[in-house]
Amino acid sequence: QKEVEQNSGPLSVPEGAIASLNCTYSDRGSQSFFWYRQYSGKSPELIMSIYSNGDKEDGRFTAQLNKASQYVSLLIRDSQPSDSATYLCAVTDYKLSFGAGTTVTVRA
Amino acid sequence: GAGVSQSPSNKVTEKGKDVELRCDPISGHTALYWYRQSLGQGLEFLIYFQGNSAPDKSGLPSDRFSAERTGGSVSTLTIQRTQQEDSAVYLCASSPSDSRSEQYFGPGTRLTVT
Repeated sequence: QKEVEQNSGPLSVPEGAIASLNCTYSDRGSQSFFWYRQYSGKSPELIMSIYSNGDKEDGRFTAQLNKASQYVSLLIRDSQPSDSATYLCAVTDYKLSFGAGTTVTVRA
Repeated sequence: GAGVSQSPSNKVTEKGKDVELRCDPISGHTALYWYRQSLGQGLEFLIYFQGNSAPDKSGLPSDRFSAERTGGSVSTLTIQRTQQEDSAVYLCASSPSDSRSEQYFGPGTRLTVT
């Protein structure tokens, strides 16, 4: 079993809709959780971090963490074409482990 | 402040040559990582430096790959006798503390082996 698994995508959403990205992880002791955005041809950019159960909102982004279910998600509200990118989930066990990414395309 | 910088941004080399890739982390960051990303693929961990501790080399794909970090700051990734399968983007990241903290990535070096 992979340490960090993301929904395979690609995910296509219309402009203005909510994009929902999911991530599960295998190490119940994981403490820190991050979402990165990677535009095509660019390096990953940190967009959200979350450390405790519940929701964390930052602008149009909301990260949700449920440690009991070993699940972390990212919601993008009012999706814009500029949100079209690959989103990487990253989780700590003894080191930071990255998921394979979910590619999101926002249709204008 | 300045982010992670990498050089060169692009490198084209002939099969069998050696290459050196450089990473300059964010000032004050104690941890430094190297990753490789092939076209359309995820991040492949290569090596991790934390302060003065021995590096975690568990991701290096072969003994042709080596890395060093001088003075706890700048790092160099060396690939000897390059092969075509080494073609990829090599990403460096740094983080402010240990392996559980957030990482900040440099722009990467695109290596093409012909």
